[in-house]
Amino acid sequence: DTAVSQTPKYLVTQMGNDKSIKCEQNLGHDTMYWYKQDSKKFLKIMFSYNNKELIINETVPNRFSPKSPDKAHLNLHINSLELGDSAVYFCASSPPGATKNIQYFGAGTRLSVL
Amino acid sequence: EDKVVQSPLSLVVHEGDTVTLNCSYEVTNFRSLLWYKQEKKAPTFLFMLTSSGIEKKSGRLSSILDKKELFSILNITATQTGDSAVYLCAVGMYSGGGADGLTFGKGTHLIIQP
Repeated sequence: DTAVSQTPKYLVTQMGNDKSIKCEQNLGHDTMYWYKQDSKKFLKIMFSYNNKELIINETVPNRFSPKSPDKAHLNLHINSLELGDSAVYFCASSPPGATKNIQYFGAGTRLSVL
Repeated sequence: EDKVVQSPLSLVVHEGDTVTLNCSYEVTNFRSLLWYKQEKKAPTFLFMLTSSGIEKKSGRLSSILDKKELFSILNITATQTGDSAVYLCAVGMYSGGGADGLTFGKGTHLIIQP
């Protein structure tokens, strides 16, 4: 009954590979996000989707492509992985209305690029 | 450029002490300020503050916002070892797109010694 779930929890891969991270939320929220947390624990927004529509696309290399098949899912596909992509990636979701800034986070996917 | 600055970056205290964590911000279109606790995995929501001077309280934790001076504090009284974590401050802004990402500070790493 996890509210925001990500798979996989850990991902170890070689440079140049393509990988995907999946995220699902069962909270009934309209908005979902991807954040990157680097080795210094700094959490930075990458993308957000509202009702399957891309709203925020921060300065992220176009090797990163989010896809939202429905409002409960937001997947992240990464092409041609580089060493600098190693980080923890967090998915989050938020409700509409007055509490829309309260974001609920998944447990994170630790990506290691070798 | 929007920024959120937390201090101190790390803090070591003894069980039973009271701690105050600080967060200052400079952002456009401020909407809310949030505090999260991050242990090993997902950041978990603590408080959302939108109005100045109104204290939010949950058990031994409390927080207040000063929108004139652009800062917030998080207080923890009678600290316990289970309070050891990274405490993240984040600011939500109005973007008009319905999917506002949060801008996070670098966090305060709090260690409570028995």
